[in-house]
Amino acid sequence: NAGVTQTPKFQVLKTGQSMTLQCAQDMNHNSMYWYRQDPGMGLRLIYYSASEGTTDKGEVPNGYNVSRLNKREFSLRLESAAPSQTSVYFCASRPAGGRPDTQYFGPGTRLTVL
Amino acid sequence: QQQVKQSPQSLIVQKGGISIINCAYENTAFDYFPWYQQFPGKGPALLIAIRPDVSEKKEGRFTISFNKSAKQFSLHIMDSQPGDSATYFCAANQVRNYQLIWGAGTKLIIKP
Repeated sequence: NAGVTQTPKFQVLKTGQSMTLQCAQDMNHNSMYWYRQDPGMGLRLIYYSASEGTTDKGEVPNGYNVSRLNKREFSLRLESAAPSQTSVYFCASRPAGGRPDTQYFGPGTRLTVL
Repeated sequence: QQQVKQSPQSLIVQKGGISIINCAYENTAFDYFPWYQQFPGKGPALLIAIRPDVSEKKEGRFTISFNKSAKQFSLHIMDSQPGDSATYFCAANQVRNYQLIWGAGTKLIIKP
């Protein structure tokens, strides 16, 4: 099992450009999450999907959109990138029926917006 | 707005010493308090967790101490090793929506 995979690993964008961060998990997990990690701020939830076909806003959703394409895949889209979106983005998943505090993380995407 | 406050921001400990990281929370509607460990270039991984009805949980060299009345919990790493050098995050799981609220993180360096 590959666990949670994310692509790309690194990306540099210019202000105003758009891009989609891809995430996939092969653990048959129901819930999936997108976080951003910034120095001194821990992880902040952008969007989450409790199950296939549902998505909800987290703490910092502005400037982002998500798609839960199927049970395996959960993508994050930046429509018009801004320098404030420079961050490391992590995707995570959680199994149904498991402990609610146990999330499995991907390796992250380091995004720089110039 | 942050409901979980973590300290210190960074910590340097000699090999063999005890590393202590503290967290405090402001909301009582949490049912699990996990600690995650993150190595450079990797995603966080669950290290150890505790429920609020337990005062202490130990797994190998890692121990969580929990003080419900003070709304505080801490991670103790005994006999700290250079391989423990990482960033540690405390978190609290919200009962109402199963979302984790994260502390800001502690960068731990163990000096050989």
